[in-house]
Amino acid sequence: DVKVTQSSRYLVKRTGEKVFLECVQDMDHENMFWYRQDPGLGLRLIYFSYDVKMKEKGDIPEGYSVSREKKERFSLILESASTNQTSMYLCASSFFGGSGNTIYFGEGSWLTVV
Amino acid sequence: AQTVTQSQPEMSVQEAETVTLSCTYDTSESDYYLFWYKQPPSRQMILVIRQEAYKQQNATENRFSVNFQKAAKSFSLKISDSQLGDAAMYFCAFYFGNEKLTFGTGTRLTIIP
Repeated sequence: DVKVTQSSRYLVKRTGEKVFLECVQDMDHENMFWYRQDPGLGLRLIYFSYDVKMKEKGDIPEGYSVSREKKERFSLILESASTNQTSMYLCASSFFGGSGNTIYFGEGSWLTVV
Repeated sequence: AQTVTQSQPEMSVQEAETVTLSCTYDTSESDYYLFWYKQPPSRQMILVIRQEAYKQQNATENRFSVNFQKAAKSFSLKISDSQLGDAAMYFCAFYFGNEKLTFGTGTRLTIIP
């Protein structure tokens, strides 16, 4: 069974803390994505990566960075968390060159910044 | 840039009835894919149905079907014989080969017993 695993389902962090959200996939996918989901705004792409050490900005990259040192792992980093980053974060992965129907999602990480 | 618009933030339907969720999109591409995803309270995104833009025939998956109007850039989802398990957020999404999905803002569907 295919699997995208987000290590933390629920986190509470303080303003100014550095936050790491980890995502691991076991399908040997080239592409990995981080989305942010907010009520009324849908899913918005933060960053994606199509290969190890490669990354591209999505629609809302400000305040975030990413790391992909290994093919199976894609980390989202909040260098200095702020309250407006309270949200649900979804990781996803897919094969490079697919037709979009092979994108698999994790179960989400709820982040609250206080 | 591509945009996807879902103009119905919330919809409700009686159990066993039919409901249609609307989606419009804007693109200058001619070859692309459209999707409907379901997100139940568990938050797991589930692919409901997929449509290739080059196909004129509307996609169907059991009780789920789409009305794809390419010229109008419209892609609605029809759910027939609604069931309690259909209650969820539904997202329309667009893909044209740049490896990224662009999502709409979602429609929350409530099923009334």
